[in-house]
Amino acid sequence: DVKVTQSSRYLVKRTGEKVFLECVQDMDHENMFWYRQDPGLGLRLIYFSYDVKMKEKGDIPEGYSVSREKKERFSLILESASTNQTSMYLCASSLGPRGLFYGYTFGSGTRLTVV
Amino acid sequence: AQSVTQPDIHITVSEGASLELRCNYSYGATPYLFWYVQSPGQGLQLLLKYFSGDTLVQGIKGFEAEFKRSQSSFNLRKPSVHWSDAAEYFCAVGPSYKLSFGAGTTVTVRA
Repeated sequence: DVKVTQSSRYLVKRTGEKVFLECVQDMDHENMFWYRQDPGLGLRLIYFSYDVKMKEKGDIPEGYSVSREKKERFSLILESASTNQTSMYLCASSLGPRGLFYGYTFGSGTRLTVV
Repeated sequence: AQSVTQPDIHITVSEGASLELRCNYSYGATPYLFWYVQSPGQGLQLLLKYFSGDTLVQGIKGFEAEFKRSQSSFNLRKPSVHWSDAAEYFCAVGPSYKLSFGAGTTVTVRA
């Protein structure tokens, strides 16, 4: 089975800190995604990447950046953490267009609290 | 732009009873439709998906969903709910490389 691993389940950071959330997948998927999950709002796409060093903004990219230097790893960066970025962050991966029929595979999530 | 509406925020159902979760979507082309389930503290797991063909699709854990183009709906059903089905359920639409998710429906199962 494809595995998507997020490095931390829980994080507590201070306002203004630079925060790195790491995600690794082990099945050579082209596409990787970062979503933010908040009660009543569902999942909202922050950024996604369709190839190494390639990225595209999602619906709520403000305050975030990403890095994909290797195919298996996709990092989400909070440049200067703020309390309104307290949330559950979910990483996902999927095959490229030729793999349309598989949907996403999600990691277990990182619950980030900014104090 | 694509969007998904899940009209029910929370549903309570008795164990052994049937369950139906509603999903309405907006998408300009033929949609790719998914249902995911999230157990407490976990990531999302794919229940089933629809791309084309038979409009009634079977998934894991005894779930099924029916695509109705005329109603822009993709409702999820299970004939007999088990206590382990208590979770949050998300409907998603789009091209598979960039999905839009609904706000989710939380299912509580009472004994």
